Amino acid sequence: DTGVSQNPRHKITKRGQNVTFRCDPISEHNRLYWYRQTLGQGPEFLTYFQNEAQLEKSRLLSDRFSAERPKGSFSTLEIQRTEQGDSAMYLCASSPSGVGEQFFGPGTRLTVL
Amino acid sequence: QKEVEQNSGPLSVPEGAIASLNCTYSDRGSQSFFWYRQYSGKSPELIMFIYSNGDKEDGRFTAQLNKASQYVSLLIRDSQPSDSATYLCAVNNWAGNMLTFGGGTRLMVKP
Repeated sequence: DTGVSQNPRHKITKRGQNVTFRCDPISEHNRLYWYRQTLGQGPEFLTYFQNEAQLEKSRLLSDRFSAERPKGSFSTLEIQRTEQGDSAMYLCASSPSGVGEQFFGPGTRLTVL
Repeated sequence: QKEVEQNSGPLSVPEGAIASLNCTYSDRGSQSFFWYRQYSGKSPELIMFIYSNGDKEDGRFTAQLNKASQYVSLLIRDSQPSDSATYLCAVNNWAGNMLTFGGGTRLMVKP
């Protein structure tokens, strides 16, 4: 399977715990994006990497959120001290170019109790 | 005003009819425009993209772009029950470093 993969697919955690998600983009894509989607809304941009460089980060993103792409391949998104409002689907997408199409992974559904 | 606006629906059409989905955007610097289909509980799936004014056809789908009016649309011909889903309009900004999505239009195709 050469599509975008994400792990885990589901995560249930208690408020205050830290969680980390992983995204493996399509292998030849140098651009990687993270989005968050809540029920009934469109995906909301969180952050963007070109290779290993994090070039854009949403102003709405709390300091509790951090993302890395250490070798320009897979990426991780960590949420520290989770809150119930963090419950959402976290989507990763990759793209071969800037204005080109983005392909989404299956997402990680986070539930914070 | 939201940056990308869509009617939330639901838009209900009979099987075999044409479904017309509309989207407006506010950023005149936007360069590329996308339509994604999203089934309940699944991630968005790209179905069409368009960069230039005019129409672009792919099978039963036609995307239309009017940059002067800041308007994008998606036509689905011969609608099938399997087309029932939420359709998301997305706009890439001038730098190409993020997609801004509308809230989606829920389409229901009735047999």
